[in-house]
Amino acid sequence: KAGVTQTPRYLIKTRGQQVTLSCSPISGHRSVSWYQQTPGQGLQFLFEYFSETQRNKGNFPGRFSGRQFSNSRSEMNVSTLELGDSALYLCASSPMTGTGELFFGEGSRLTVL
Amino acid sequence: DQQVKQNSPSLSVQEGRISILNCDYTNSMFDYFLWYKKYPAEGPTFLISISSIKDKNEDGRFTVFLNKSAKHLSLHIVPSQPGDSAVYFCAASVEGDDMRFGAGTRLTVKP
Repeated sequence: KAGVTQTPRYLIKTRGQQVTLSCSPISGHRSVSWYQQTPGQGLQFLFEYFSETQRNKGNFPGRFSGRQFSNSRSEMNVSTLELGDSALYLCASSPMTGTGELFFGEGSRLTVL
Repeated sequence: DQQVKQNSPSLSVQEGRISILNCDYTNSMFDYFLWYKKYPAEGPTFLISISSIKDKNEDGRFTVFLNKSAKHLSLHIVPSQPGDSAVYFCAASVEGDDMRFGAGTRLTVKP
């Protein structure tokens, strides 16, 4: 069974640009969550999608958005990039929402110059 | 809002000894707690969990203890092995939802 796949793995952008990250969950998993990892801050919760609906949202500005498609694949978008957005963005899937255990992808490393 | 805190950014232990990683939380509504392990260039992987109706859960060399009154949980690894060297994240959720993570503790097990 293939794991969670995130693309791209690495990307470099400049301030003011926007970026779209993609996540393909494990087959059959319907819940997708996104996290931002920065040194010293751990994993900060961005949002969770289930059946194409956003169920929960973390404390991030509106520049961070996401969506989920009917095949459970998810994308997140960050507009008007700032230097502080440089981070590892992790996607995690689970079979259902509220089941606790998450299966993570390897992440997308974003560097903003 | 740091609802889950891991106050030790790093821990170094000798191979064969016990590793104890600690985690504190502030939200009394949390009822499900997990530990994840993360190697460099990989995503975190689930290690062990405990629900609030228990105070201990054991899986091989790994044991998680929960003290609800102190809002504290810990992960014990006995005996520690060099392959256990990784970053360990504590996580907490309410009925499995909206999982919150700590900042992580980097464990180094020396041979």
